[in-house]
Amino acid sequence: DGGITQSPKYLFRKEGQNVTLSCEQNLNHDAMYWYRQDPGQGLRLIYYSQIVNDFQKGDIAEGYSVSREKKESFPLTVTSAQKNPTAFYLCASSIPGSPLHFGNGTRLTVT
Amino acid sequence: EDQVTQSPEALRLQEGESSSLNCSYTVSGLRGLFWYRQDPGKGPEFLFTLYSAGEEKEKERLKATLTKKESFLHITAPKPEDSATYLCAVQGLGTSYDKVIFGPGTSLSVIP
Repeated sequence: DGGITQSPKYLFRKEGQNVTLSCEQNLNHDAMYWYRQDPGQGLRLIYYSQIVNDFQKGDIAEGYSVSREKKESFPLTVTSAQKNPTAFYLCASSIPGSPLHFGNGTRLTVT
Repeated sequence: EDQVTQSPEALRLQEGESSSLNCSYTVSGLRGLFWYRQDPGKGPEFLFTLYSAGEEKEKERLKATLTKKESFLHITAPKPEDSATYLCAVQGLGTSYDKVIFGPGTSLSVIP
């Protein structure tokens, strides 16, 4: 079945360490997105990519980085510069004009 | 600025007790309004897209409606398995990419 796979489901890191979250899709979608979800807030866009080798900052890109070397993959790195990295991270993909398809998220805890 | 609010923040219903969730939005030209269901620890699952005022969509016990300023998700005779957080999102016109603005969600609990 087609879908979006995020890994790992849970991730624990010490403050000051960079960490990379994986997102793979087999839906053949051109566009991919990273969102952050915090309690009581709507999903906030971190980065998005509409095509391979191109990506754009979303509303809260500071402290994050991405790459898009393959259509299927859009990994997110949470750097030590991100002040409040503990959150639930969601990856999504879409074709233009269609609803977003989401993965099941990675819960990152930084202590 | 584009904005989406949802009310109530949380709703507790007895099984079979029908109710409605509200999504109010401000956007400079609406391309589409989306409803998603999210279970704890999971990603949002797409339910409906609405494009223009007056449009309605139905799926099992759920019906979504749209006006020029808000959308309602009506839940008829809910069951415990309908318990989840329901997210509303809007997509505006005139942006360089498919920007989607999400509301904070309504957490629904259906008690047997």
